[in-house]
Amino acid sequence: KQEVTQIPAALSVPEGENLVLNCSFTDSAIYNLQWFRQDPGKGLTSLLLIQSSQREQTSGRLNASLDKSSGRSTLYIAASQPGDSATYLCAVIASGTYKYIFGTGTRLKVLA
Amino acid sequence: DAGVTQSPTHLIKTRGQQVTLRCSPKSGHDTVSWYQQALGQGPQFIFQYYEEEERQRGNFPDRFSGHQFPNYSSELNVNALLLGDSALYLCASSLVTAGYYYGYTFGSGTRLTVV
Repeated sequence: KQEVTQIPAALSVPEGENLVLNCSFTDSAIYNLQWFRQDPGKGLTSLLLIQSSQREQTSGRLNASLDKSSGRSTLYIAASQPGDSATYLCAVIASGTYKYIFGTGTRLKVLA
Repeated sequence: DAGVTQSPTHLIKTRGQQVTLRCSPKSGHDTVSWYQQALGQGPQFIFQYYEEEERQRGNFPDRFSGHQFPNYSSELNVNALLLGDSALYLCASSLVTAGYYYGYTFGSGTRLTVV
């Protein structure tokens, strides 16, 4: 059974810091992994999507890596800003299914 | 290009009542999935619809049912509401012929409160 874990559960950093959010999954047989951002009470905004054959994706100050063999992904945020404050969720689609399995998220607060 | 649209945005219902939530997929998408997100948790998969049929179902009781219409829009129905059904309900759409290449697009959700 696929399980997704995110560490840390919460993180508070001063503005300008580079930071890393971690995601681990128990079954390496996945189609893809997607990182989402969620503001309080709102829906999910897709940040980066990594196919199972890819190792990383980049968008602006964000970089996500995928190591399927070890069941890990990291989301790197460069030069953090107060506007980056949100909950970050990772999710995988396990092979043979159509559903995303989500972690419980990392709640990030960037202090001005 | 409209994204995924959900209605209503907020809803308050009484225990035992029935509720219907609606979702219009992103233009060009033909598959709709529903997720339930309790406070402080990650979203949990309820079911997915494609070609007006339920393609896969998560671990939710039969009180949760759905429908997909010929225009690909979808409804989620929940009967005999319980206090524990209070959550944010998210709809996600995708294009089946694209496989998983583009991932899923999520809507802003419907916040259901059961009192």
